[in-house]
Amino acid sequence: AQTVTQSQPEMSVQEAETVTLSCTYDTSESDYYLFWYKQPPSRQMILVIRQEAYKQQNATENRFSVNFQKAAKSFSLKISDSQLGDAAMYFCGLGTYKYIFGTGTRLKVLA
Amino acid sequence: GAGVSQSPRYKVAKRGQDVALRCDPISGHVSLFWYQQALGQGPEFLTYFQNEAQLDKSGLPSDRFFAERPEGSVSTLKIQRTQQEDSAVYLCASSLGVGDEQYFGPGTRLTVT
Repeated sequence: AQTVTQSQPEMSVQEAETVTLSCTYDTSESDYYLFWYKQPPSRQMILVIRQEAYKQQNATENRFSVNFQKAAKSFSLKISDSQLGDAAMYFCGLGTYKYIFGTGTRLKVLA
Repeated sequence: GAGVSQSPRYKVAKRGQDVALRCDPISGHVSLFWYQQALGQGPEFLTYFQNEAQLDKSGLPSDRFFAERPEGSVSTLKIQRTQQEDSAVYLCASSLGVGDEQYFGPGTRLTVT
């Protein structure tokens, strides 16, 4: 069975500062994707960043980057220069087509 | 272009009623997925279509749940004899191919009273 664990139900960050959201996972698959989705109050899930598990280099998308530690099965998300618009629920997940999500981390951005 | 759309956005059903939830994927997307998101939880996979073929329905919670995509585009998730535990947000997603990025719709919030 595949599992995804997000141990931080809620995080806060000051505007313009950096925050890291944690995620650990377990899978017996050899080929899979890892990803972070953002879900604002509108409920629309928006892909933040995605990485193929066989790639060693950490993915980066503008202010968002991941720290992928395959041996430790860890996939944390770093948000730099946090903006008010970053406030949302963030879901970590894995899968190829059948996505497995964690329970989410609510990010608050303080002005 | 247009994203994934779902209708209705909100649905209230009395226990025992049947409901049908519609998903319009992005044009040209071969793969379509349904997820159920309970309050305070992450989405959980229900079922997957490639074109009109339902290739995985392992996440459907019971035989009261049925999904179809007869012409390989629009999909309908039907729930028969709704129960209170069916209350959730139902999300639809589509992708170009099976391993490609999944684009999600805004969801349908179902409340069973």
